[in-house]
Amino acid sequence: GAVVSQHPSWVICKSGTSVKIECRSLDFQATTMFWYRQFPKQSLMLMATSNEGSKATYEQGVEKDKFLINHASLTLSTLTVTSAHPEDSSFYICSARDLTAGGANYGYTFGSGTRLTVV
Amino acid sequence: AQSVTQPDIHITVSEGASLELRCNYSYGATPYLFWYVQSPGQGLQLLLKYFSGDTLVQGIKGFEAEFKRSQSSFNLRKPSVHWSDAAEYFCAVGLIQGAQKLVFGQGTRLTINP
Repeated sequence: GAVVSQHPSWVICKSGTSVKIECRSLDFQATTMFWYRQFPKQSLMLMATSNEGSKATYEQGVEKDKFLINHASLTLSTLTVTSAHPEDSSFYICSARDLTAGGANYGYTFGSGTRLTVV
Repeated sequence: AQSVTQPDIHITVSEGASLELRCNYSYGATPYLFWYVQSPGQGLQLLLKYFSGDTLVQGIKGFEAEFKRSQSSFNLRKPSVHWSDAAEYFCAVGLIQGAQKLVFGQGTRLTINP
């Protein structure tokens, strides 16, 4: 089945530095990728939707300049948290889907998540 | 606006007992419906999904869900839970139009008593 690889699984960084999270679709072409943020014991909040070769579409309230999303190829999307601060500490999860897959193949594949801790 | 409601934040059941997790949605059309399970510190695993056809959907790990259009519900059931079922469960609606993004419910944390 479809697999999405997300790296790193956890990262600790100093306040003010930038962190890049990668999300790769291993066996399908991900025309669309989604980035979520999840606080402890809470649901997933969609941050942005990225389409290959296009600018990401951010949800209301998400800072575009802080959370840079690049979807340069059909198998790779990256989320860069710029000038990270402790309040950016969270669990980030990516999801990918192939928009050409319809019917019973319609679905979303999730990465295993990245735990970011900013100290 | 589209929304998904999981009324139960936390449910505790005994091992071997039956389980039903509730999910209600608000959407202008029949959406794509999903149930996911998340273990601590992990990503989401798909349990089952509904697009059309038979309203009773079978999934992995012995789970099933029933789509009831009249009640805008998609409740998840399992006849006999195992200790390994303890996790967080999320119901989600897939929007058919536009970016086809997922809208998640708040989640239900399932605890299993031995």
